[in-house]
Amino acid sequence: SQELEQSPQSLIVQEGKNLTINCTSSKTLYGLYWYKQKYGEGLIFLMMLQKGGEEKSHEKITAKLDEKKQQSSLHITASQPSHAGIYLCGADIGGQGAQKLVFGQGTRLTINP
Amino acid sequence: GAVVSQHPSRVICKSGTSVKIECRSLDFQATTMFWYRQFPKQSLMLMATSNEGSKATYEQGVEKDKFLINHASLTLSTLTVTSAHPEDSSFYICSASSGTSLLEQYFGPGTRLTVT
Repeated sequence: SQELEQSPQSLIVQEGKNLTINCTSSKTLYGLYWYKQKYGEGLIFLMMLQKGGEEKSHEKITAKLDEKKQQSSLHITASQPSHAGIYLCGADIGGQGAQKLVFGQGTRLTINP
Repeated sequence: GAVVSQHPSRVICKSGTSVKIECRSLDFQATTMFWYRQFPKQSLMLMATSNEGSKATYEQGVEKDKFLINHASLTLSTLTVTSAHPEDSSFYICSASSGTSLLEQYFGPGTRLTVT
């Protein structure tokens, strides 16, 4: 079973619309990382959240970590074609400075002009 | 930001042959490198963690004799897929870390391996 569940698995939105991607864990998240991946390429770091209730924004992308630290959401406002790609959440679920990340299965985002 | 390169970006090999993939940190020293495998429309799966100068630590279910990892220097790690089979076809991604924080993990662009 997947330790991190992302939803939806794929998303098609009209340019200019808002969207939300969720990442849920059955375990406490000691660190939650959001990455963007273009098909066939490496991962680009977006944001990292550690504290329950934490919220970070970069340009039109906002990520939140819920108070219980078991779910995170990534929200894109006024989507643009450049936002298209695969969004992956990665998490440190080991705590204690664990060196390993586990990843969600990814959400494939398509932006229609 | 820190740059990690992988070579080759794409490789096609015949079944039964071995393939070596290189992962290099170009502008920093990587004390730890990670190797991931990604199937189409699936998540990245950690295969192994390698620290410079020591043996790699493999995840459960990953055959260490099939996926040989060498981390001989602070800027280079190699993954060799031995006696490749079609089921080994996948996208392999490495990441490199210079510190103890996962925030400092930088990903390479990936290598697409196709075994015919």
